[in-house]
Amino acid sequence: DAGVIQSPRHEVTEMGQEVTLRCKPISGHNSLFWYRQTMMRGLELLIYFNNNVPIDDSGMPEDRFSAKMPNASFSTLKIQPSEPRDSAVYFCASSLLGGYRRTEAFFGQGTRLTVV
Amino acid sequence: EDQVTQSPEALRLQEGESSSLNCSYTVSGLRGLFWYRQDPGKGPEFLFTLYSAGEEKEKERLKATLTKKESFLHITAPKPEDSATYLCAVMDFNKFYFGSGTKLNVKP
Repeated sequence: DAGVIQSPRHEVTEMGQEVTLRCKPISGHNSLFWYRQTMMRGLELLIYFNNNVPIDDSGMPEDRFSAKMPNASFSTLKIQPSEPRDSAVYFCASSLLGGYRRTEAFFGQGTRLTVV
Repeated sequence: EDQVTQSPEALRLQEGESSSLNCSYTVSGLRGLFWYRQDPGKGPEFLFTLYSAGEEKEKERLKATLTKKESFLHITAPKPEDSATYLCAVMDFNKFYFGSGTKLNVKP
């Protein structure tokens, strides 16, 4: 398996533009997580899905952020409109939930977003 | 509220100088504790999973241990290539809670 695949790796956009980040989880994993990482706040969980269903989106900063998972092999995180304070590295991770224990989460290489 | 605290924030070691990183946690219903390594510009890379107090895992120069309230990542005779940020995460039901990490710098 190629691991978690994110695209694009880098994105530079102007304030007010729509940004879409993409993620392909590891085949067979049933949970997907979107994180944001900054120097100030570290890794912040934005939203996670179990079996393609959003379970907890309490970490989503505001209504400008939305995430979808139309099937088990694809997810998007959209920011509309984007603002300079959204600049960060966005990570997607996937894992397998089975019974009481959960396996480790495997991370993609991240998308570095710069909003100017 | 569930919390994960890592210490120290930064650690500088000479090559061969062994030390330990700490991860203390308060979580109801621990379902797993995870250690990751993160290099600059890359995503966190999984190292270990610990599920029960008393459990230990080893990989090369790294050894992770778990008690009811904290975990330690012991680094024996580190090398410069061990320099990275080490992240601890705990699993409570469905969420991973990450600590802020320890940035390790090993000088030759």
